[in-house]
Formats: sequence, structure tokens, C-alpha cells
Amino acid sequence: GAGVSQTPSNKVTEKGKYVELRCDPISGHTALYWYRQSLGQGPEFLIYFQGTGAADDSGLPNDRFFAVRPEGSVSTLKIQRTERGDSAVYLCASSLAPGGAEAFFGQGTRLTVV
Amino acid sequence: GQSLEQPSEVTAVEGAIVQINCTYQTSGFYGLSWYQQHDGGAPTFLSYNALDGLEETGRFSSFLSRSDSYGYLLLQELQMKDSASYFCAVRGWGKAAGNKLTFGGGTRVLVKP
Repeated sequence: GAGVSQTPSNKVTEKGKYVELRCDPISGHTALYWYRQSLGQGPEFLIYFQGTGAADDSGLPNDRFFAVRPEGSVSTLKIQRTERGDSAVYLCASSLAPGGAEAFFGQGTRLTVV
Repeated sequence: GQSLEQPSEVTAVEGAIVQINCTYQTSGFYGLSWYQQHDGGAPTFLSYNALDGLEETGRFSSFLSRSDSYGYLLLQELQMKDSASYFCAVRGWGKAAGNKLTFGGGTRVLVKP
């Protein structure tokens, strides 16, 4: 595809359940970012991958959140024991290299924990 | 760490000019970017300033002054489709900043007929 693809676009889950959110970045982009955005707020940084490794995971709120990018392309954000406060839009972005001027965002996954 | 401050909301009429200011605190960064986000949509890149001065891209211009820790986005000849949220962002460098892209809280621009 031409852009960053995120699936699912919407996810409703019960409190306490496990969820996985997928991001397929633009081909050839080595940098991949996960953000969380609440209504009326700016995107909040969660984790950044350079290739396969997590270069910076300082934004992950706690150990219920984990992300992988095993082959340096597709990434999965995993949330265990979901809480109502995890409800937000989860955005993925990719860029050609660290420090690149432009990051390309996917449409996001709207996660609702009930 | 890094923090960016923007006004929360601006209202203007079609054809007007709007300036969205962004003040920041950061230990070091590659440049200042601006993104536009319509309700329910993805943030899309608008402009980037690596150096001090003005960058012009059609109706949108962006300015950076590193000495003043300040930048702005200028929207000219406002159109109804410009109603959206606008975010400034910096990508830091070095061990402390970790190359992450940090966003301001966003400015909601409402364009009225």
C-alpha cells in the first residue's frame, strides 16, 4: 500500500481483556512510532522503533503495554489486562530515518474498553 | 525533556490570516514541524523548519527562531476546509530526547463564513 495501514480501525473490548493493534508502515521506512491520542489532546508518544529494536520506550505508561517489530516492518502494540483509561485512538507513524522531517501517520485504531 | 505550548483555539473568518504560535523547551532538536488533523483523521505533515527563518508552502508559512525557542504557523486566505487542529512537533536528538517526535497540545482552528 501507499500509506501507513492500521488494523483494526475500531476495537471494543471488555475490561481485563488482551488486545493487539497492528501497524503496517510504508515500505522502506526504518523508523516507526506509536502514539496515543485522547479527545482534544495532542498525540502522546509511546514507543519508537529503529529497525527491529525499540530505541525508546519511555512513553509506555506501564508494563501492561508492550510492542514488537520482529522483522523491522510490521509492528504490533499489545495491551494486557485492559482498563477503561486505555480507551483512546492509537496512532502509528513511520518515517524514512530518525530525524526525518516528515512522519506519515495511519488512520489510527480507536480502542474502547467497556 | 521536551514540552511545547500552543493556544488551544482560534476562530477566524474565511479569507483572514491566522497565526498559531508554538513555544518550546527542549534540550536539542532537528527541527520544528507542523501537522494538520481534521476530526477523525490522521495527522498530516504541513511544514518543517530545520533552520531559523520563514518557510513558505502555498497558503501556509512556518517560522522558527531557535534563539527565542519559538515558532509559528501562518495560515493565509483561510478557507472553510482549513477548520482543523494544528500541532507543532519537535524531534529531539541525543540520549535524553531519544529521537522521539514530541507534539504540542494542538490548536483548534475554526473558520467561519
